[in-house]
Amino acid sequence: DAGVIQSPRHEVTEMGQEVTLRCKPISGHDYLFWYRQTMMRGLELLIYFNNNVPIDDSGMPEDRFSAKMPNASFSTLKIQPSEPRDSAVYFCASISNNEQFFGPGTRLTVL
Amino acid sequence: AQSVTQLDSQVPVFEEAPVELRCNYSSSVSVYLFWYVQYPNQGLQLLLKYLSGSTLVKGINGFEAEFNKSQTSFHLRKPSVHISDTAEYFCLTGGGNKLTFGTGTQLKVEL
Repeated sequence: DAGVIQSPRHEVTEMGQEVTLRCKPISGHDYLFWYRQTMMRGLELLIYFNNNVPIDDSGMPEDRFSAKMPNASFSTLKIQPSEPRDSAVYFCASISNNEQFFGPGTRLTVL
Repeated sequence: AQSVTQLDSQVPVFEEAPVELRCNYSSSVSVYLFWYVQYPNQGLQLLLKYLSGSTLVKGINGFEAEFNKSQTSFHLRKPSVHISDTAEYFCLTGGGNKLTFGTGTQLKVEL
């Protein structure tokens, strides 16, 4: 198995632009998580899904952030419009046997 | 409610010396505990986990941790570190769909 796949690995965009981050979880894992990591705040849980249904989105910072999981093998995290303070590394993770498997992350820079 | 405290934000150590990274938890439910490692510019990788059974848990790369219920601790140890162990280490607690992260400990191994 290729593990959790995220794309793009790096994204540089200008303030105000829409950004879409993508994640493919490990096949058979029915939980998917989106995290954000910054120097100031460390790792923060943004949202998680169970069987493609959003369960807890209390970590989503504001309405500019949205996440979808249209099927068991794909999820997106969208920021519209993006702001410089959204610059961070965004991780996706899926679960098996109480172990979270993390993707390599997307490093987002908003200028 | 669950919480994790990593007592040291940075731990410098010389190569081949032993190291202990401290983690204390609080939880009102069954305890699952994890240590993850994050190498520079990479995602998080599981080092070891405690779900039940033996309180001494052995993980990858020569690391081990001991679950101590009376002291509510899950300290990570390695008898002899290598330069390649330089990374950030996260202690986590929780059940599969909701993990609580510690703030991380930066281990810096020096020659």
